[in-house]
Amino acid sequence: SAVISQKPSRDICQRGTSLTIQCQVDSQVTMMFWYRQQPGQSLTLIATANQGSEATYESGFVIDKFPISRPNLTFSTLTVSNMSPEDSSIYLCSANYGANVLTFGAGSRLTVL
Amino acid sequence: GQQVMQIPQYQHVQEGEDFTTYCNSSTTLSNIQWYKQRPGGHPVFLIQLVKSGEVKKQKRLTFQFGEAKKNSSLHITATQTTDVGTYFCAGPKDSNYQLIWGAGTKLIIKP
Repeated sequence: SAVISQKPSRDICQRGTSLTIQCQVDSQVTMMFWYRQQPGQSLTLIATANQGSEATYESGFVIDKFPISRPNLTFSTLTVSNMSPEDSSIYLCSANYGANVLTFGAGSRLTVL
Repeated sequence: GQQVMQIPQYQHVQEGEDFTTYCNSSTTLSNIQWYKQRPGGHPVFLIQLVKSGEVKKQKRLTFQFGEAKKNSSLHITATQTTDVGTYFCAGPKDSNYQLIWGAGTKLIIKP
């Protein structure tokens, strides 16, 4: 089955700093997705990352706050910029391996102090 | 906008009792997917239903897709501690490459 490696698994950051989350998939995929999940809540899509083009952001998320890179078909990064405590959450990367079924990375649990 | 409603939010059961979660979409879906998220874990794909009225089983789990392809259910018979977690349904958005997620139903086994 598909494997997605995501790091860091968790981090504690200071307000005003930025953190970059990395996501590596084990085979080439066209689309990768970045989600945010608050504790006890459902998944909220931040953006869709396609290789070779700008990421497509969902309502309420902007590139300046959540810049995304997708340099090739097996790798993507999400940066959470100028963090505040409201950014404390779990960030999940995922990939579509076919039939719109998603495989997820283990998630990055971010705490902002 | 397109929505997927899921109930209940929580279900507390004694081990050995049954568990059911329901999803209802505001629009007809081409398919519906179910995922399980263990405590502290990430969502893991369980199954995809495509056909109207489809019923699929995975051991003690039974998944149904409604005739109108707007609702779905997951039923677990005789729950075990390994079933603990949150179960999410998800359906394709109009764009077809994104998913609309239900709120999830958390299965809690009473001590």
